[in-house]
Amino acid sequence: GAGVSQTPSNKVTEKGKYVELRCDPISGHTALYWYRQSLGQGPEFLIYFQGTGAADDSGLPNDRFFAVRPEGSVSTLKIQRTERGDSAVYLCASSSPRGSLGTGELFFGEGSRLTVL
Amino acid sequence: AQSVAQPEDQVNVAEGNPLTVKCTYSVSGNPYLFWYVQYPNRGLQFLLKYITGDNLVKGSYGFEAEFNKSQTSFHLKKPSALVSDSALYFCAVRDPSNSGYALNFGKGTSLLVTP
Repeated sequence: GAGVSQTPSNKVTEKGKYVELRCDPISGHTALYWYRQSLGQGPEFLIYFQGTGAADDSGLPNDRFFAVRPEGSVSTLKIQRTERGDSAVYLCASSSPRGSLGTGELFFGEGSRLTVL
Repeated sequence: AQSVAQPEDQVNVAEGNPLTVKCTYSVSGNPYLFWYVQYPNRGLQFLLKYITGDNLVKGSYGFEAEFNKSQTSFHLKKPSALVSDSALYFCAVRDPSNSGYALNFGKGTSLLVTP
């Protein structure tokens, strides 16, 4: 596609439920990032993929959060036993191979807004 | 640890006047610095970056930023603001000397340009 696509755009769930958020990066982009943005804050890094593998998952807040990218393209962020504090906009970004060196710009999707009641 | 600070929550400027949005950084090595803009209900868009070389970098929509190593700053500037520049601006840093790949973002500065 032309840009990074994220689905769903909005997700409302109840505390304790399981949630999956999907990211479809720009074709040919090998680097993929997940960020979380809470109201009034800047994006907070969660995890970075280079190809199929998670090269840096140091930002995942706890073991309820997990992400996969099995074929090196689409990625899914999975949140188990959701809590109200998980409510935020979850942003996905991708970058070209040059971006894998940290010098290229990130291309962001419009985000998935998660609300946990 | 790498971090950025955006000391102003909001910047107000009249259309046609110059604007500055401030950013300072903290890294152990030489930084990679970025500015992104976020319009309402839209994803973040890249504006410009400093990796190496000339301290003054030019980016999209007439924006520029100056890397100042002695002051550890990377302020965003534009000579003449437009009402359409009103948005949320984020500074971000990466320290290539560490093994992580994350861009660390500031909390953002809301720019309001009035007619």
